Order: sequence, then structure tokens, then C-alpha cells
Amino acid sequence: QQQVKQSPQSLIVQKGGIPIINCAYENTAFDYFPWYQQFPGKGPALLIAIRPDVSEKKEGRFTISFNKSAKQFSLHIMDSQPGDSATYFCAVRYSGNTPLVFGKGTRLSVIA
Amino acid sequence: DAGVTQSPTHLIKTRGQQVTLRCSPKSGHDTVSWYQQALGQGPQFIFQYYEEEERQRGNFPDRFSGHQFPNYSSELNVNALLLGDSALYLCASSIDLASDTQYFGPGTRLTVL
Repeated sequence: QQQVKQSPQSLIVQKGGIPIINCAYENTAFDYFPWYQQFPGKGPALLIAIRPDVSEKKEGRFTISFNKSAKQFSLHIMDSQPGDSATYFCAVRYSGNTPLVFGKGTRLSVIA
Repeated sequence: DAGVTQSPTHLIKTRGQQVTLRCSPKSGHDTVSWYQQALGQGPQFIFQYYEEEERQRGNFPDRFSGHQFPNYSSELNVNALLLGDSALYLCASSIDLASDTQYFGPGTRLTVL
């Protein structure tokens, strides 16, 4: 059973656009929701993370929106640039020392 | 400050062989986790090491084993390699067991022929 479902699988946007990537989860016991960015040939890098006690968090051009009742969270990239072209993964984690569970990823292409 | 380092970068093995992958955590980190990332998929948790002991394990067979050394570096061993073991193997470190933030290395690309 897939614990976190990520969509879309791929996304193409124009430079300056605002791509939105969504993740849905089932288990309300999850309490940590990070987004990772991965470039080809590299390991994932933590972009931004949120806990369920807030509905939105911004760091630079990246924003997480969190809807606890709908059990969904999303990543918004403001003023997207070609350098943002990468694969993005959402993840979830229970409280305490538990492993990250990743979504299947979204391949984002930002075209000039 | 060096981040997480892994070696080798690439590796080609044949079915039935054994492989050892290595990881050095970020400076000051004592907890190491290993993940397998198949092509086009998200990373899947294999196991975690802390204080030289395996603390948690994902849904992987006993062919996958590991070790952590007193300097916090770690090894992942895979025995009796199968074609399906071909993947990017990622090591991630965190400052301690309680930390949410994990820093990933660049990975080792394993190809099993």
C-alpha cells in the first residue's frame, strides 16, 4: 500500500510560472512533511519541510501548503527558473525516529 | 565542511556476486540511513545505523546487511545479487536519532548484469 501519493508524474511550465506539486497521505499519525529536490546524478536535497500545526510555510521561492483535514500537502515554486528543472519528491514521517517514506516523484521542466 | 560522501560512484556486478558500498556521514552526524532508489522511483528505506547497531529496517531481505564503524561511517553489503538490485543506493546522515533532517549523499549507481 502506497503511503503517500504524489502527482503529477511530470510537469512542464514556462519560466516565471508557478508549478504546483501535490501529495496525499492516508495516515493521520504522520507529523513531518518534507520536500526534496533531486538533480540527475545527485542525491536528494532537502528543500523545505512543514509540521501539521501550520498551514503554510515559505522559504525563498518555495512554499508548502498543508491541508490537514484533506490529508494533502503541496509544493509551490514561485517565479520558476530553468535551474529549477529537477525531480521533486514529497515524503512523510511518523513522529519519533521513523524512516522517511517518499512519493514517486515529479519531474519538473521549466522552459525559457 | 564535507557533506555526505559515498564510494564508489558507479559499480557493475554480475548476478550472484556480492557488493560493498561505503558512506561517510556529514561531520558531526552519528546516524546513518541507507535507501535504494530504483529508476524513476522515490528512495526506499533499507535500514538505519546508530551507535554501531541496526536500529530500524525496511522491507528488504537478509541479503542486505550493513555495518557502522566507531567513526560513524557505514557500509552496505548486498549478497547474491539479483538483476532487480540494480539501483542508486543512497546514504543519508542526521545529527542524531531524534533529528528530522537527513542529508543525502550523491549515491552509488549499482548495475547488476
